Amino acid sequence: DAGVIQSPRHEVTEMGQEVTLRCKPISGHNSLFWYRQTMMRGLELLIYFNNNVPIDDSGMPEDRFSAKMPNASFSTLKIQPSEPRDSAVYFCASSYQGRYGYTFGSGTRLTVV
Amino acid sequence: DQQVKQNSPSLSVQEGRISILNCDYTNSMFDYFLWYKKYPAEGPTFLISISSIKDKNEDGRFTVFLNKSAKHLSLHIVPSQPGDSAVYFCAASAGGNQFYFGTGTSLTVIP
Repeated sequence: DAGVIQSPRHEVTEMGQEVTLRCKPISGHNSLFWYRQTMMRGLELLIYFNNNVPIDDSGMPEDRFSAKMPNASFSTLKIQPSEPRDSAVYFCASSYQGRYGYTFGSGTRLTVV
Repeated sequence: DQQVKQNSPSLSVQEGRISILNCDYTNSMFDYFLWYKKYPAEGPTFLISISSIKDKNEDGRFTVFLNKSAKHLSLHIVPSQPGDSAVYFCAASAGGNQFYFGTGTSLTVIP
């Protein structure tokens, strides 16, 4: 298996633009997580899905953030409009049942200028 | 509110010596703990885990200790190697799918 695949690896955008981050989880995994890494808060859970259904989105910072999982093999995290304070590394992770830890993707480094 | 805390942002250790990374948590319902290792430009990778029914778990050079009464866990790396230089995250779960992560400790092993 190729692991959790995220795209793009790097994204530089101007403030106010829409940004879409993509994730393909490991085949057979039924839980998917979006995390944001910052120096101050470490790995911060934004939202997670179980069997394609959003379970907990309490970590989504604002209405500017939205996430979808239209099927078991694809998820998106969208920021609209983007702001400089959204600059961070965004990780997607997947797991089977979730109980024993996750497999992370390589992350998307987002820079909003 | 940070339920899992790693109070040392960085640690430097000489090659061959022991590295001790610490993690504290506040939620007494946490019953499963993980350590992840992260190299630059890569995602975190699973390193070692421990259940609350144990107080120690060992895997090669890596040992995790859990002190439930103190709500504290630590990761020992013996002997430390330059390839161990990375950021280490501890994570905890109270059951279900969600893990809470600490802010990470950057370990540098000096040759």
